[in-house]
Amino acid sequence: AQRVTQPEKLLSVFKGAPVELKCNYSYSGSPELFWYVQYSRQRLQLLLRHISRESIKGFTADLNKGETSFHLKKPFAQEEDSAMYYCALSGGNYGQNFVFGPGTRLSVLP
Amino acid sequence: DGGITQSPKYLFRKEGQNVTLSCEQNLNHDAMYWYRQDPGQGLRLIYYSQIVNDFQKGDIAEGYSVSREKKESFPLTVTSAQKNPTAFYLCASSRGSLDTIYFGEGSWLTVV
Repeated sequence: AQRVTQPEKLLSVFKGAPVELKCNYSYSGSPELFWYVQYSRQRLQLLLRHISRESIKGFTADLNKGETSFHLKKPFAQEEDSAMYYCALSGGNYGQNFVFGPGTRLSVLP
Repeated sequence: DGGITQSPKYLFRKEGQNVTLSCEQNLNHDAMYWYRQDPGQGLRLIYYSQIVNDFQKGDIAEGYSVSREKKESFPLTVTSAQKNPTAFYLCASSRGSLDTIYFGEGSWLTVV
């Protein structure tokens, strides 16, 4: 069965420091990987997906199939990056195979 | 920004009562979903629907029911059979499988 793990419930970094939010997955096929973000009082929204290979708000994520990881990185954290981040996996079937991790709360300190 | 509208945003109900959460989307998406979000557990899928008049159980469907009579609407009923109904409920939609899922703002349900 597919599963997404995010080992850190809370991650605190200082402004300007690099940040890495970890995500590991288990899936037998070729999944689509996503990062969703939920800022305070806002709806959950897509941050990036691996297939697009985009850099959104300075964040990047590389899919490592060997390590089954999709870690989210940003070289210099900003205070406005403070939010809840969810890693998600889609195996292709509607919703049934769209699995979210437990989330990591990122707190960027001034 | 429209897209997906959930109502009400906050709802209080007495134990034993059924309650229906509304979800409407104007994105012309075929697929719609209901998730439950609990602290430390991420999002768990309750029900999903690929097309009108069709829906499938997710991982935690017990105590919930849905209908999909129109493409744009996917209401969720939390029945009295749901043992721990107090939670944050998220409705979502997508154009198809492997496509980005878009979320509503959520509904807080508190059962007292």
